[in-house]
Amino acid sequence: QVQLQESGPGLVKPSQTLSLTCTVSGASISSGAYYWSWIRQHPGKGLEWIGYIYYGGSTYYNPSLKSRVIISVDTSKSQFSLKLSALTAADTAVYYCARGDSGNYHLDYWGQGTLVTVSS
Amino acid sequence: QSVLTQPPSVSGAPGQRVTISCTGSSSNIGAGYGVHWYQQLPETAPKLLIHGNSNRPSGVPDRFSGSKSGTSASLAITGLQAEDEADYYCQSYDTSLSGWVFGGGTKLTVL
Repeated sequence: QVQLQESGPGLVKPSQTLSLTCTVSGASISSGAYYWSWIRQHPGKGLEWIGYIYYGGSTYYNPSLKSRVIISVDTSKSQFSLKLSALTAADTAVYYCARGDSGNYHLDYWGQGTLVTVSS
Repeated sequence: QSVLTQPPSVSGAPGQRVTISCTGSSSNIGAGYGVHWYQQLPETAPKLLIHGNSNRPSGVPDRFSGSKSGTSASLAITGLQAEDEADYYCQSYDTSLSGWVFGGGTKLTVL
């Protein structure tokens, strides 16, 4: 059974960098069949795609966040990570990691999500 | 403002049929990319409901169905049940963004 689990701080100060990790079990993170993805949801709002990393390390980011985002993968730990810099209160959201199908572009497995609050 | 447009809310009585629309453009749905639907129950992560316009993952009841035409897609729910009360999101791929786009979400209320 495929499972994804986010981990990281729940509270981060403005201007700092958020670091989140997603640990994957039940699936190979090295598989070329999937995009390992981050999505966020502002409180009471809809879903926003942040970006994904593909087999071999290729990354694709939402243009609106591209200048502040880095997604990386550690295949030895079956983890992929998100770094989002220059945080403001507008980055307060629930952050989800998810597995994307590289053929059809749907997201078939999601983590439970982690709430990140940006506040001093 | 979301790239894909959904109605903010829909409602229906138990047993009824409701539909949720998702309108895109020539750079996403109209470009031939599949439309996918997610159900988000309160305080939980989204769950894949329909992929590739009309395909149900294992375990999703056949009361849920999807369709696509041109630059739009629809999710239909028949035999509405109280447990269907949730937020529903459509999603596709957009060539101008080189990434995924979502609808703003539709809140389904079961009366």
